[in-house]
Amino acid sequence: DGGITQSPKYLFRKEGQNVTLSCEQNLNHDAMYWYRQDPGQGLRLIYYSQIVNDFQKGDIAEGYSVSREKKESFPLTVTSAQKNPTAFYLCASSRGQGDYEQYFGPGTRLTVT
Amino acid sequence: GENVEQHPSTLSVQEGDSAVIKCTYSDSASNYFPWYKQELGKGPQLIIDIRSNVGEKKDQRIAVTLNKTAKHFSLHITETQPEDSAVYFCAARLSGTASKLTFGTGTRLQVTL
Repeated sequence: DGGITQSPKYLFRKEGQNVTLSCEQNLNHDAMYWYRQDPGQGLRLIYYSQIVNDFQKGDIAEGYSVSREKKESFPLTVTSAQKNPTAFYLCASSRGQGDYEQYFGPGTRLTVT
Repeated sequence: GENVEQHPSTLSVQEGDSAVIKCTYSDSASNYFPWYKQELGKGPQLIIDIRSNVGEKKDQRIAVTLNKTAKHFSLHITETQPEDSAVYFCAARLSGTASKLTFGTGTRLQVTL
């Protein structure tokens, strides 16, 4: 089956700890994205990457970091600098520039206490 | 950057009735407008999209209309069914920003029997 996988589905961390969320795709897509979803605020773009070894900040990048060492993988690290990290995190991918449809993974719900 | 407003935030219709969700965008250079459906605990799925060179697009019970002059686009669902109950998001892509999408805040549609 082709698709996007995110793991784990639920993640719990203590305040002050960094945590890395996994995102893998086997669609051979060039572009990948991370969104944060909070109640009543829709989806907000954290980071995106159009090719391997390159990524750009989205609208709310502060307190987050990413890497894109492989085409199929785009992990997101939520650092202790993120002031309000509890949220639902969604990863997406698309074929790349000029192809607009984004395919989403099932999401990871992160709870920080 | 682009800004997308979506209304209403909640919508309740009886089974068999039609539902309409409206979005407005701020930047006339936006050229791609997808609609996503998100079921509880899952990632959003694309249900229909429209490009700026088209005024209307239909897919069975779902249609999207675009008014470039007024900078608004709408999702129309006819003959609603209980399985249409979900949160719907509109989005807009600004020309020249690769596949970066700006999302609306979502509409929770409830189809009652």
